Parts: sequence; structure tokens; C-alpha cells
Amino acid sequence: ELKVEQNPLFLSMQEGKNYTIYCNYSTTSDRLYWYRQDPGKSLESLFVLLSNGAVKQEGRLMASLDTKARLSTLHITAAVHDLSATYFCAVDKTGYSTLTFGKGTMLLVSP
Amino acid sequence: EAGVAQSPRYKIIEKRQSVAFWCNPISGHATLYWYQQILGQGPKLLIQFQNNGVVDDSQLPKDRFSAERLKGVDSTLKIQPAKLEDSAVYLCASSLDTSQEDRVFNEQFFGPGTRLTVL
Repeated sequence: ELKVEQNPLFLSMQEGKNYTIYCNYSTTSDRLYWYRQDPGKSLESLFVLLSNGAVKQEGRLMASLDTKARLSTLHITAAVHDLSATYFCAVDKTGYSTLTFGKGTMLLVSP
Repeated sequence: EAGVAQSPRYKIIEKRQSVAFWCNPISGHATLYWYQQILGQGPKLLIQFQNNGVVDDSQLPKDRFSAERLKGVDSTLKIQPAKLEDSAVYLCASSLDTSQEDRVFNEQFFGPGTRLTVL
């Protein structure tokens, strides 16, 4: 059974600081997705990582994938309040986009 | 381009009652998914359709949950009878065509969800 673990599950940080969210998964996969979810809202796709060594950046967020270590990271640079949300990673094991999600990391950025 | 539509947005029922949710995917998307998201957890896939055929329903509690996708477009998810532990947000998502090797086709787009409370 594919397991996807995120840590930390909760992250409180100050504006302007940097931090990294980690996503480990238990079986071979070369497709990993990051989503953002605001309270009471649906999931918004942030990044799709399709190969080992893939790195993608959008604004203050940068995601990377190491398929050998079965690890993805989501790095936050100089956090701002607007980044407060829950972030999920999801892994596609089957190749048919059958996603297994982590429990999510709730990020709270305060002044 | 219109996104994935779901209705109702909220539903409150008593245990042992029945409930149905509706989903309209993005136009042209062949693949449709239903997820259950319990508070504080990530979404869990219940069922995946490719056109009107089922690709994966291994995590669907078939004794009480059923889903159909007639004509390969809209889909309904039904719970009968509901239990307290079914309280969750039910998310529908769609993607272009997961039978294609080009992985651009596989990105999933999510609807707003239906929040179900079972009392």
C-alpha cells in the first residue's frame, strides 16, 4: 500500500522567514503533485513534478523531486500572509492519475 | 473555461438517510474522480471513471456507496444509508484523458466540493 507522509503537519511562521515542507512516499513513482487548499475551498494545483531532479518555482514557492530518495520538498521563501493555507502533496503510483494524498501541512504565516 | 461544477455545496442529513451528489466535469475531460476528504486529512479516492467505465473503485464502500457516470459526462455519487462517519467533504475532479501517455493530460482539476454532515 502506498503511503505518503508529510511533515510538519502544522507550521506557524513569521513573515519574511524561509521554511521547507517535506513529502516522503513509500513506493516508486515519478509523478508528484503539490496542491494548495484554503479553508472551505477546493484544491488548487500548484506544481506537477514528472521526473527525478525536477524543480519548479512559482513566486515564493519552489518544489523539487528526488525519486531515488522518494522525497519531494516545497520550499517557502520570505513568507507572506497570503501563503497561509494547507498544502498537500500527492503521488501517482499507477500511471492513471490515481492519486494518494498526504495528510497536508497547515501553514500559518503571521506578521 | 468553466471549472468542475458540484451540487449541492452543503447537505445535512440524519444517519440512515440517503443522499446524492452531482458533478459536471470540465468540458472534454474523459476522466472523472470522486474523493472523500475527512476533516484534517487529505482526499481519499473513492472511484475513478474513464468515460463511462470504472477504472478504480477499490476504496469505495460498495455496501452503501454507489456512483455512476451516464453518457461519460456528468456523474452522481450516492450514499444509502448514511453513517455518522460519512461526514466529510466530497470532491469531484476531472482530467483530460489518462489513457494518453502524455502526462499533460493527467493533471486533475477539482470542484468546490460538497460538505456532508450526518447527524
